[in-house]
Amino acid sequence: AQSVTQLGSHVSVSEGALVLLRCNYSSSVPPYLFWYVQYPNQGLQLLLKYTTGATLVKGINGFEAEFKKSETSFHLTKPSAHMSDAAEYFCAVSVGGNNDMRFGAGTRLTVKP
Amino acid sequence: DTAVSQTPKYLVTQMGNDKSIKCEQNLGHDTMYWYKQDSKKFLKIMFSYNNKELIINETVPNRFSPKSPDKAHLNLHINSLELGDSAVYFCASRQGNSPLHFGNGTRLTVT
Repeated sequence: AQSVTQLGSHVSVSEGALVLLRCNYSSSVPPYLFWYVQYPNQGLQLLLKYTTGATLVKGINGFEAEFKKSETSFHLTKPSAHMSDAAEYFCAVSVGGNNDMRFGAGTRLTVKP
Repeated sequence: DTAVSQTPKYLVTQMGNDKSIKCEQNLGHDTMYWYKQDSKKFLKIMFSYNNKELIINETVPNRFSPKSPDKAHLNLHINSLELGDSAVYFCASRQGNSPLHFGNGTRLTVT
């Protein structure tokens, strides 16, 4: 079955600094990859997704991620952190024809003023 | 126009009780899910239904019983609640390989 690993349970950056949240996946077939954000006491909302095609995908709130098959990675980046980006971020993977979607353990992003 | 709605939002109950959480989606999706999020924020898939048919049943105690009366509804009934059942339960839906759409969660506290 497919799985994801998020490196770093907690990432802290200064406001205006680069955000890099790491995600590596494991899948025997081409994966569908997703990043979700969860603000306190809320559900998860989709940031961006990779299905097929362009490997650099852009999402909401200035986030983007690049699918690198050779590295089995799908890291999330944002050039300049904003205080409002502080939240929990989850990477997820599913495969075609399979309704199973698995999540990483999450990374808590803290943004310092 | 809520897409995935679950009730109740909060549920506080005592050990040994039986409780249910309801979920409805108005997106026309074929597949619905229940996920459990523990205190460390880890999201674990519990069940998935596709067009009312159970397709994913993880290693969940049989005290948990999902029921899908139609493809827009997926309810979760929990018997004999235990302290370890305290968590946030999320309902979600999707169509094919599209992203999951989540409800806002039900925070279950067992005392």
